[in-house]
Amino acid sequence: EVQLLESGGGLVQPGGSLRLSCAVSGFTFSTYAMTWVRQAPGKGLEWVSAISGAGGSTYYADSVKGRLTISRDDSKNTLFLQMNSLRVEDTAVYYCAKRAGTYGGQIDYWGQGTPVTVSS
Amino acid sequence: DIQMTQSPSSVSASVGDRVTITCRASQGISSWLAWYQQKPGKTPKLLIYAASSLQSGVPSRFSGSGSGTDFTLTISSLQPEDVATYYCQQANSFPLTFGGGTKVEIK
Repeated sequence: EVQLLESGGGLVQPGGSLRLSCAVSGFTFSTYAMTWVRQAPGKGLEWVSAISGAGGSTYYADSVKGRLTISRDDSKNTLFLQMNSLRVEDTAVYYCAKRAGTYGGQIDYWGQGTPVTVSS
Repeated sequence: DIQMTQSPSSVSASVGDRVTITCRASQGISSWLAWYQQKPGKTPKLLIYAASSLQSGVPSRFSGSGSGTDFTLTISSLQPEDVATYYCQQANSFPLTFGGGTKVEIK
């Protein structure tokens, strides 16, 4: 059974940092592309970042480029999102998600999400 | 960036009705389109991928069609458990983009 479990969310002041983690099981983690998607309160889904399997090419939404960094540790079956210089508008539930292929494809599994609140 | 435009933004229909949701891409995406269902307070769930392929375990009353720029999600006979917000998403190129969502309610 595929499982994705996020952690690391919480309350942080504007300009602060957080590191989200996503521990996965039930599939060969290194083979698959992974992604982060966020959802602000009462709003729709917004893609944040992605990383490919087999080498780890990375991609970012313009709204987070230069502030958020996606990475993966295939030896620990864990995906990360380092979040720096956080803004109020980064407040959202952050979902870790698996893509169907090594380099892309649809999102076929989602984690339960971890909430991030940026507020003074 | 490829913009994804969904319509309608909300729909209210009776149990057993046919419900159709459309999604238009600002440029051609071949069949690189997925549909997701998000029930209130829950995680999104994949329904359809590659525009028309039904994800394993999804009821057959859900179907998808289209290619290029125009796509459709159809619920052939609306059930109470289908109350949710539905999103389309293009997987053709980065940045990945979602439609704004369609909220489906029971009349």
